[in-house]
Amino acid sequence: DAGVIQSPRHEVTEMGQEVTLRCKPISGHNSLFWYRQTMMRGLELLIYFNNNVPIDDSGMPEDRFSAKMPNASFSTLKIQPSEPRDSAVYFCASSLAAVRLPTQYFGPGTRLTVL
Amino acid sequence: GQNIDQPTEMTATEGAIVQINCTYQTSGFNGLFWYQQHAGEAPTFLSYNVLDGLEEKGRFSSFLSRSKGYSYLLLKELQMKDSASYLCAVPTGTASKLTFGTGTRLQVTL
Repeated sequence: DAGVIQSPRHEVTEMGQEVTLRCKPISGHNSLFWYRQTMMRGLELLIYFNNNVPIDDSGMPEDRFSAKMPNASFSTLKIQPSEPRDSAVYFCASSLAAVRLPTQYFGPGTRLTVL
Repeated sequence: GQNIDQPTEMTATEGAIVQINCTYQTSGFNGLFWYQQHAGEAPTFLSYNVLDGLEEKGRFSSFLSRSKGYSYLLLKELQMKDSASYLCAVPTGTASKLTFGTGTRLQVTL
């Protein structure tokens, strides 16, 4: 079974450039989560979707960040313009919201470096 | 909201037993998760507790006391491959959203 798929696995870009991260959740899962992980702040939830609808985006740091989920099998996280402080590992996770205690399964992450 | 506390680092010897504690404060409780994360990899699900008591899963067990806001992860017969970070997480609101602790980095030595 395919797990959560993320691309690219590594991204190096220059300050000011647009960055787009992609995620394909586990088939049949209806909740999708975007996290950012840094040494300083640990694992932070940025935004999550239920049935393709954004439910909570309170973790999105600022307007430079946006996320979309056009269908049940694809989501993007975009940073425009990128800044060096955005350097982090970005994880996507998915779960099945219908169960009592949904377990989240993480993708391999995208390691973003903004120079 | 959730406040979650875990020790930052622990060291233990191969073959030994180690207990990783997690305390939390939450406005509504739906359960507690434990994840393992090896360096450079994604977090992977280990266990969850909904009711008080001990849940055993092979060499790993997780305990929960809801009245005390306390959980621990017990790792027995430690192996070198158990060197990783262990994160506890508490669901929020609808139970879909998780708030993670900062993780405990465990180093297993010979």
